[in-house]
Amino acid sequence: QVHLVESGGGVVQPGGSLRLSCAASGFTFSGFGMHWVRQAPGKGLEWVAFIRYDGTTEYYADSVKGRFTISRDSSKDTLYLQMNNLRPEDTAVYYCAKAYSSSPSPAGCDSWGQGTLVSVS
Amino acid sequence: QLILTQSPSASASLGASVKLTCTLSSGHATYAIAWHQQQPEKGPRYLMKLNSDGTHNKGDGIPDRFSGSSSGAERYLTISSLQSEDEAAYYCQSWGTGTVVFGGGTNLTVL
Repeated sequence: QVHLVESGGGVVQPGGSLRLSCAASGFTFSGFGMHWVRQAPGKGLEWVAFIRYDGTTEYYADSVKGRFTISRDSSKDTLYLQMNNLRPEDTAVYYCAKAYSSSPSPAGCDSWGQGTLVSVS
Repeated sequence: QLILTQSPSASASLGASVKLTCTLSSGHATYAIAWHQQQPEKGPRYLMKLNSDGTHNKGDGIPDRFSGSSSGAERYLTISSLQSEDEAAYYCQSWGTGTVVFGGGTNLTVL
């Protein structure tokens, strides 16, 4: 059974940095693309970033491009999101999610973590 | 540009059926989507991937009460025999080359 556990959230000042982690288990981590998705308080889901199964390609939402970096370590079955130059509008619960396929382009999510809260103030 | 449109709210009675709609923007009528459920104060839960021909692949443990269908640029999620725990937000998601989008979500109230 797929299990995704995010960590690293917290309170940070505007302009600060934070690194989120997502520990994966229950599937062959190196065989699937992975996403970060966020949800601001009282709002809907917003896609943040995707990384290809082999880590060679990344895609980002315009709202975070140039500030956030998605990466993965298949030796540790862990996904990361490095967030720099944080803004108040980045305040949200951040979820990692597994893509349903190994397609080189983003594919839909078929498993979700429980989320970690990032507050920028 | 890939955009997904959902009605903000829907309601139906306990034991009844409800059909939620997700509309793909012009030029994207052949795209597949995924449906996700988010119960209050919980993380999202994957329900199914729904193709343009109406075929769908449900997630593990998703009850038969949940089904999907398609017509043109519209993708539907039908929930039958509504239960109180079905009261939740429902999001559709789609994807293209280098991008992923979510609809704004539909808040379902079970009366």
